[in-house]
Amino acid sequence: KNEVEQSPQNLTAQEGEFITINCSYSVGISALHWLQQHPGGGIVSLFMLSSGKKKHGRLIATINIQEKHSSLHITASHPRDSAVYICAVPLYGGSQGNLIFGKGTKLSVKP
Amino acid sequence: EAQVTQNPRYLITVTGKKLTVTCSQNMNHEYMSWYRQDPGLGLRQIYYSMNVEVTDKGDVPEGYKVSRKEKRNFPLILESPSPNQTSLYFCASRRQTLDGFYGYTFGSGTRLTVV
Repeated sequence: KNEVEQSPQNLTAQEGEFITINCSYSVGISALHWLQQHPGGGIVSLFMLSSGKKKHGRLIATINIQEKHSSLHITASHPRDSAVYICAVPLYGGSQGNLIFGKGTKLSVKP
Repeated sequence: EAQVTQNPRYLITVTGKKLTVTCSQNMNHEYMSWYRQDPGLGLRQIYYSMNVEVTDKGDVPEGYKVSRKEKRNFPLILESPSPNQTSLYFCASRRQTLDGFYGYTFGSGTRLTVV
């Protein structure tokens, strides 16, 4: 069974700072997901990664399959980035149907 | 607008009274799934469906049933709800291809309280 660890659990930053959130998992996988949960509760899918790096606006996600580690970076952070960021991986490494989730990183960006 | 619609948004019920939470998507997605979210435990998958008439257990399926009779709908059924099923529930859908590499669309969530 895959285990997913996220760090840090909580993160407070000043507007404009560069943010890094980490996700480690225990079983080899084919792809990893990053999600964003807004303070109101809604969840948005940010990235699905199988290798290398993906970029969307100020968000960058990287994955190292060999090291079983992924990072989510936010450049020039803004108060509207305040949310919980969650990574998810397949439960048993292979099928993308059965996912398990990290407990999330709560980010607060102060103006 | 492409979306996943869950109903109801809020529900308070009593122990043992059967209930159904509906989930519908308008994107013709093959894959649908149900999750519950609890403080300190995060999101956990209940059931998922790779296509019509194909369902499988997630991490925490006990006490829940699902069906997938048509592509757009994936209801979550609690035959005899108990207080430990008080939680925030999310439905999600996703295109399913051979490599499975597409993002999810989540519903707005259903906050269920069982007293």
